This record gives sequence, C-alpha cells and structure tokens, in this order.
Amino acid sequence: NAGVMQNPRHLVRRRGQEARLRCSPMKGHSHVYWYRQLPEEGLKFMVYLQKENIIDESGMPKERFSAEFPKEGPSILRIQQVVRGDSAAYFCASSPAQGQDQPQHFGDGTRLSIL
Amino acid sequence: DQQVKQNSPSLSVQEGRISILNCDYTNSMFDYFLWYKKYPAEGPTFLISISSIKDKNEDGRFTVFLNKSAKHLSLHIVPSQPGDSAVYFCAASFQGAQKLVFGQGTRLTINP
Repeated sequence: NAGVMQNPRHLVRRRGQEARLRCSPMKGHSHVYWYRQLPEEGLKFMVYLQKENIIDESGMPKERFSAEFPKEGPSILRIQQVVRGDSAAYFCASSPAQGQDQPQHFGDGTRLSIL
Repeated sequence: DQQVKQNSPSLSVQEGRISILNCDYTNSMFDYFLWYKKYPAEGPTFLISISSIKDKNEDGRFTVFLNKSAKHLSLHIVPSQPGDSAVYFCAASFQGAQKLVFGQGTRLTINP
C-alpha cells in the first residue's frame, strides 16, 4: 500500500549542477503538486500537473525550474544550475481527482542541499 | 504577502488537556480550509478539513472551527496525547484553484 513516493530522500549538489527530483503519486492518483519548504517556513506551492499537462505553474520561479508528469513514469521536478538559495525540502503531493474535497496526500520529501 | 498566518510558533500542553491551534487568513476568496500534521523528516499528513459553508467539523479527537467574519479558524484536540506532538499547518484554497496556501506552522508539544 504505497503512498506518495519521492526519491531521492536527500540530494547534494554543487552550485551550477542540475538537480532532478522524482515523485510517484499514490496508486489511482492522476494529479500531482510540488511544494517547497524553506527552513522555519510553511510549504509554498510551486506547480500542479496532470498527466502530460501543466495546469498551474504560478509558483514556479521563472528561470531554471521545470516540471513534467509524463504519460508513463514519475513526475520530475528539474532545477538547472542550482544556487545556494535552492537548498530546501521539496514535497510532492497527489490527489485522485480535481476538487477541494480531495485532500492532497504528501510524500516524505526530498531534502536538497547545495554546496 | 502571508495570506495564511499562524501567529504562535509553538504551544506546550499537558497530556489529557485540550490543545487549541489558531490560524488567521486575509484572502476572503478562500473557501476551503485544511489542517495537516507533520513529524520531522516526514511529509505533512492530512488531519481534517472544513468548507466555508460550515462553521464546525468534527472527527474523533479533532474539531475545526471556522469564523468567517473574523477570518479565523482553530483546531481543537481533546484529549491531547503524546503522539500529537508535531508541527501543525493550516492551509487554505479557493474554488477553481487546486493549490494550497500554507501557514508557517505551530509546533505542538504534549507534556506527560
């Protein structure tokens, strides 16, 4: 009975490298959300995807960040040319359908550290 | 622009007593509210939610109250148990948008 699976759990990158974070939603869920949490802060929405479509990317930084949710395989959050300020916990959530009464279920996050 | 605010960073409560966590919001477009609980190194876990058409929702030891005129909601946990020690996040959304707007969290500690 797998929940939302994120990997890796911890990722260390040097400045200028690329970071790829993966998220497999719960079985039967076709909606995926990415959030970022900086230390001592709440989670901040980044992007909302359905299979093969980006529905809302209003929280994504304009440069270096991209997300996809292909027809097959996990959702990927990609950060190019990472900088120190990208260090954070990145959480993925999924829901079975659209609608406020469909609570988002979260994975345990990927902790990204930039050296 | 913090649209959802949890003004108490921490709260300490005796085991068996009531824990009350508070949350204020500024955006009157919000019409659905949720509480999540988070342990260290884990993701948030959904606890309870409430629609703006209601003023109270109860699930076991957890009750959420919504005061729309004051733009305020609260989570009551009674009786409090040691396993309730965690960070609690309030979140809000509005119709037509799936994204959740989170508060900063309140760290609840239940003392034996």
